Amino acid sequence: RKEVEQDPGPFNVPEGATVAFNCTYSNSASQSFFWYRQDCRKEPKLLMSVYSSGNEDGRFTAQLNRASQYISLLIRDSKLSDSATYLCVVDLGGGADGLTFGKGTHLIIQP
Amino acid sequence: DTAVSQTPKYLVTQMGNDKSIKCEQNLGHDTMYWYKQDSKKFLKIMFSYNNKELIINETVPNRFSPKSPDKAHLNLHINSLELGDSAVYFCASSQVHGTSAFQETQYFGPGTRLLVL
Repeated sequence: RKEVEQDPGPFNVPEGATVAFNCTYSNSASQSFFWYRQDCRKEPKLLMSVYSSGNEDGRFTAQLNRASQYISLLIRDSKLSDSATYLCVVDLGGGADGLTFGKGTHLIIQP
Repeated sequence: DTAVSQTPKYLVTQMGNDKSIKCEQNLGHDTMYWYKQDSKKFLKIMFSYNNKELIINETVPNRFSPKSPDKAHLNLHINSLELGDSAVYFCASSQVHGTSAFQETQYFGPGTRLLVL
């Protein structure tokens, strides 16, 4: 089983729709969770951290389900500018070796 | 001001050559990282380094070596380049590793696109 798994997509979504995708992780001792966004040929940038109680930032909502070992990202009222690859990132708790990235979910918002 | 910068942005070189990629961060962070993003866009950690500790991903060939002249710099040196080394290499930094989600937030450089011919 891979350490961090995501559906690669692409998800083709009409502008204004709501879209959600999940990410599963293998290590139940994982401590920290993040969603990063990566635009084509650009560096990954932090979108939001994911807290145990869930958190919301504008149109974006992140949830953590420790029992089932997954995190989710919900985007409401999607904009064309939301088109990007969304990377699930987990600190697997295995030591000081950086974060583990999923392969990303490619999202395309269509006009 | 660029928080994490890398040079060069593009690097095209012949197989067998030795090359270096430089990374600098002006965030005052304690930990820096190198990641490799392959053609399938999979981002994988290569090294993490702070003042005390270098952690090497065991899958990284020893042709790759990080060099840190000071806390703000972590350069990546690659010996005897191979075709399979072609990828985008990202440098990143974080405040302190492994203490809290906030402090672990990593800031990435713009990437260095390496093409080995």
